[in-house]
Amino acid sequence: DAKTTQPPSMDCAEGRAANLPCNHSTISGNEYVYWYRQIHSQGPQYIIHGLKNNETNEMASLIITEDRKSSTLILPHATLRDTAVYYCIVRVGDTNAGKSTFGDGTTLTVKP
Amino acid sequence: NAGVMQNPRHLVRRRGQEARLRCSPMKGHSHVYWYRQLPEEGLKFMVYLQKENIIDESGMPKERFSAEFPKEGPSILRIQQVVRGDSAAYFCASSGRNQPQHFGDGTRLSIL
Repeated sequence: DAKTTQPPSMDCAEGRAANLPCNHSTISGNEYVYWYRQIHSQGPQYIIHGLKNNETNEMASLIITEDRKSSTLILPHATLRDTAVYYCIVRVGDTNAGKSTFGDGTTLTVKP
Repeated sequence: NAGVMQNPRHLVRRRGQEARLRCSPMKGHSHVYWYRQLPEEGLKFMVYLQKENIIDESGMPKERFSAEFPKEGPSILRIQQVVRGDSAAYFCASSGRNQPQHFGDGTRLSIL
């Protein structure tokens, strides 16, 4: 699986959009980008995933650059409950079979 | 619609005892994964199982650790002769066809 690079920490004001970047310059053509978050030592929570098109669901949006070497997770209106560690993972395939390799993630702190 | 269930949530063992951690996957999921998270660190993959088969155990320590996912019943992660360094949070995840991996809330193992 490709290695990802994320900033160690970010702050965001409550109600504003949180934009979390991820670099995955060695991503292969069959690798998907997944985002998870972990709130205060709970189990990681799936957020969103994509291959090359931008994706949106009820939690967030995922923007993947055309060359697929980086992506951005967008939380459109951050709340205090979005404070968590956010992990960007790249994995082969869309079947969700196989291990996930977690890096150190980005600690997002949403401030009032 | 129950999620991934792990028990116990907290487990205390003395050095040299055995620890057995259980994971019931989400309904319809046939893939199970175990991850370990040491204090202040990220999640590390341990083992990936399908029913009655170990698919990938590249993250499992060579000794004292074993995992199974029988045809009936939960997946079990077994740690024999526990040592202080085994103290960690152990997370289980499950996935199924076209479903993202979902994680349980983990078992916190403390070794006295």
